[in-house]
Amino acid sequence: QKEVEQNSGPLSVPEGAIASLNCTYSDRVSQSFFWYRQYSGKSPELIMSIYSNGDKEDGRFTAQLNKASQYVSLLIRDSQPSDSATYLCAVNLPGNTPLVFGKGTRLSVIA
Amino acid sequence: GAGVSQTPSNKVTEKGKYVELRCDPISGHTALYWYRQSLGQGPEFLIYFQGTGAADDSGLPNDRFFAVRPEGSVSTLKIQRTERGDSAVYLCASSSDRADTQYFGPGTRLTVL
Repeated sequence: QKEVEQNSGPLSVPEGAIASLNCTYSDRVSQSFFWYRQYSGKSPELIMSIYSNGDKEDGRFTAQLNKASQYVSLLIRDSQPSDSATYLCAVNLPGNTPLVFGKGTRLSVIA
Repeated sequence: GAGVSQTPSNKVTEKGKYVELRCDPISGHTALYWYRQSLGQGPEFLIYFQGTGAADDSGLPNDRFFAVRPEGSVSTLKIQRTERGDSAVYLCASSSDRADTQYFGPGTRLTVL
């Protein structure tokens, strides 16, 4: 059974700090990895996608993938109170296939 | 361009009633997905369409749930004889042929009393 594991949090960081969110997945053939941000009462919003081992940076966000360890992470630099949300890790198999989501990590950035 | 839209945004019904939830994907997206999200959980897959056909319906919890996409665009999720346990947010997502990134609609919050 495909599983995606995340620490549910809450993860509290002070404003301006780096927030580190982690995710592990069980299916070794997983090919695509996504981080979605979900504000309370809203739908998931795509932040980052990553497909290859290593780091991918987009503004204040960096996604890191290590397929050997089946581990994907999201770093948020210079955290802002507006980053406070639940961050969902999702993976899927090659092609247009359903996403398998973790339960999400709730991040709280304290001003 | 316009994103994924879902109607209604909220639906309150009584136990045993029939409901229909509608999803209008991003124009040109051939893949359409339905997920269900309960409080404190990540979205859980229900059914996936590629064009008009259901490519994978393994996530539907039982035969009370059914979905259609007759013209390969708009999809309707149908729930018969609703139960209180069906209460959740029903999310729709779509993606194109050329990329597997899924974009979500605003969801329909279903409450079964």
